[in-house]
Amino acid sequence: DAMVIQNPRYQVTQFGKPVTLSCSQTLNHNVMYWYQQKSSQAPKLLFHYYDKDFNNEADTPDNFQSRRPNTSFCFLDIRSPGLGDAAMYLCATSRLLKGSPVETEAFFGQGTRLTVV
Amino acid sequence: LAKTTQPISMDSYEGQEVNITCSHNNIATNDYITWYQQFPSQGPRFIIQGYKTKVTNEVASLFIPADRKSSTLSLPRVSLSDTAVYYCLVGDVNTGGFKTIFGAGTRLFVKA
Repeated sequence: DAMVIQNPRYQVTQFGKPVTLSCSQTLNHNVMYWYQQKSSQAPKLLFHYYDKDFNNEADTPDNFQSRRPNTSFCFLDIRSPGLGDAAMYLCATSRLLKGSPVETEAFFGQGTRLTVV
Repeated sequence: LAKTTQPISMDSYEGQEVNITCSHNNIATNDYITWYQQFPSQGPRFIIQGYKTKVTNEVASLFIPADRKSSTLSLPRVSLSDTAVYYCLVGDVNTGGFKTIFGAGTRLFVKA
C-alpha cells in the first residue's frame, strides 16, 4: 500500500501560471519534505516541516511556497513557474523525536513530474 | 551537515559483490550514515543506516571504520535490477534539525 502519495504523477503547466502539487501520507510522520530533482541530478531539498514548523532552505527561491494544513497533507505551490522549474518534485516523510535516537528512514512518494510550457 | 563524496559511477556484472565507498571526513559525533537507492522516475528508497562498525540487513551491509570518516555499502551478488543511483547521506538524527540532504550519488550499472 502506498504510504506517501503524490498527485498528480505528471503535471503540465503554462509559463507563469500558478500550480500546486499535492502530497499525502498515511504514516502519521511528523516531518514532511519537498525536494526538486532535475534530470541526472540529486534531489535538492526545498523545505521541510517539523510538525507545524516550516523550515526553508536558504537557496529556495521565493517562487516556491508550501502549506501543511494537517499532519497528513502537504502542498507545494509554485507561484509563477518558469521553464527552469521543470523537474521531478518529490515529497518525503520521516518520524523524528527530538533528543531520541530513532530510525530516520525517509519515505518518498513516486514524485510529480512537472512540465512547463 | 557533513559533506559526502562518492564515486560518480561504477560498473559491475551480475552475480558480483559491489562495494561503494563514501567519504565523510567532517562527520560529527552524533551523525548517522544512511544510504538510499533510486531508480529512474521513482523516489529514493532507504537501504540501510548505521552509526559504527557493521550493519547488515536483507538487502545490504554497511561497513563503518572506527574513525567513521568513510563508509562502504556492500551489495552482495548484484542483479540487473540493482542498476540505480546510490546516495550516501550523513546527518544528526537527534537535533530535530536533521534534514535528509543528498550528495551527488553513485550511478551503478550492472551488466549481464
